[in-house]
Amino acid sequence: DIQMTQFPYTLSANVGDKVTLTCRASQSIRSWLAWYQQKPGKAPHLLIYKVSILESGVPSRFSGSGSGTEFTLSISRLQPDDFATYYCQQYNTYPWTFGQGTKVEIK
Amino acid sequence: EVRLVESGGGLVQPGGSLRLSCTASGFTLSNYEMNWVRQAPGKGLEWISNISSSDNNKNYAESVKGRFTISRDNAKNSVYLQMNSLRAEDSAIYYCATGDVYFRHWGQGTLVTVSS
Repeated sequence: DIQMTQFPYTLSANVGDKVTLTCRASQSIRSWLAWYQQKPGKAPHLLIYKVSILESGVPSRFSGSGSGTEFTLSISRLQPDDFATYYCQQYNTYPWTFGQGTKVEIK
Repeated sequence: EVRLVESGGGLVQPGGSLRLSCTASGFTLSNYEMNWVRQAPGKGLEWISNISSSDNNKNYAESVKGRFTISRDNAKNSVYLQMNSLRAEDSAIYYCATGDVYFRHWGQGTLVTVSS
């Protein structure tokens, strides 16, 4: 299975900060990567697919980049609604696998 | 409005069985590949199974292969997960989700607890 590793595990930031989350794959997944946001007690919500394509309705302060094995999710100006856990997911090879998540919390 | 509603979760003893259901509204489920994704309490997400729109292709994670069976009834706009030989490590919230490779729409989840 392809292992997805996210770091940092927890990120403390202030409203208005720019933050960058990293996701690393154990082997190349080309550009087959998605990002999700999950808030406590809620289902995950698709933010980005194919590395950098924003899902409809997702604010433009979210952006994704990378290829191969190294990927990032950036939030340009953190808003109160953005404090959540973020997961990356590869869909290059079955089984589809997720990273362990990065929790973005208020500093 | 696209909506997915899971049901069928509950408390079951190790070795027991449960059948989860996921019913769609606001769209025609038969047009979509469907998935089950689970999340153990306080843990991350694990994809466990999917089924093609036409029901002719199914995939499973190794952790559930041979114990879980995914199926669908497009006439009822529903997808199912039959879970047999349940283990403590199967305890999780089970979500159904649309998508062939990534997951666009999710249900609210149903909690499965495997414990004696």
